[in-house]
Amino acid sequence: EAQVTQNPRYLITVTGKKLTVTCSQNMNHEYMSWYRQDPGLGLRQIYYSMNVEVTDKGDVPEGYKVSRKEKRNFPLILESPSPNQTSLYFCASSLLGGGIRQPQHFGDGTRLSIL
Amino acid sequence: DQQVKQNSPSLSVQEGRISILNCDYTNSMFDYFLWYKKYPAEGPTFLISISSIKDKNEDGRFTVFLNKSAKHLSLHIVPSQPGDSAVYFCAASGGTSYGKLTFGQGTILTVHP
Repeated sequence: EAQVTQNPRYLITVTGKKLTVTCSQNMNHEYMSWYRQDPGLGLRQIYYSMNVEVTDKGDVPEGYKVSRKEKRNFPLILESPSPNQTSLYFCASSLLGGGIRQPQHFGDGTRLSIL
Repeated sequence: DQQVKQNSPSLSVQEGRISILNCDYTNSMFDYFLWYKKYPAEGPTFLISISSIKDKNEDGRFTVFLNKSAKHLSLHIVPSQPGDSAVYFCAASGGTSYGKLTFGQGTILTVHP
């Protein structure tokens, strides 16, 4: 089954404790992206990757890091989480042909609470 | 600076009637627009898209209209069904940042039986 898998689905942690949210896709997609969803703000893009070893900032990259060492994986790293990073996070992937014009497949989300 | 705006947080419609969801954008470099639907506890799923070279695109019960001069797009659902109840996001891309996608705040659609 074609899917984007995020782990963990839920996490409660404390300020300053480094964490990683993993994202894996099995569709051989070149493009992957991370978003956060907050009430009243919709979805905002954090980082995206056009292919292996190619990453770029979205609209809200501060406080986050990403890496794309393999095509299927695109982990989101919070080196020193803060309470304002409490949010619902989504990973997505798509074929690159047409770039962002291709529909993205989203994971089911990771709810992070930073205390 | 919200470049894509959905000014109606919610919309309530009777089953069988038309649902119209609206979206405005400010960046004239946007040239491709998409609508996504999201159910609770799930990720968004793609619904329909439109390129700026068109002013209308249809897919079954869903039609998206684009008015470039007004920087406005709308999603029409006819007829509306209770299963259409979800959050709808419009999104836009274009310009020099090839991989960036900007979403609106979302509109909660409720279709009553």
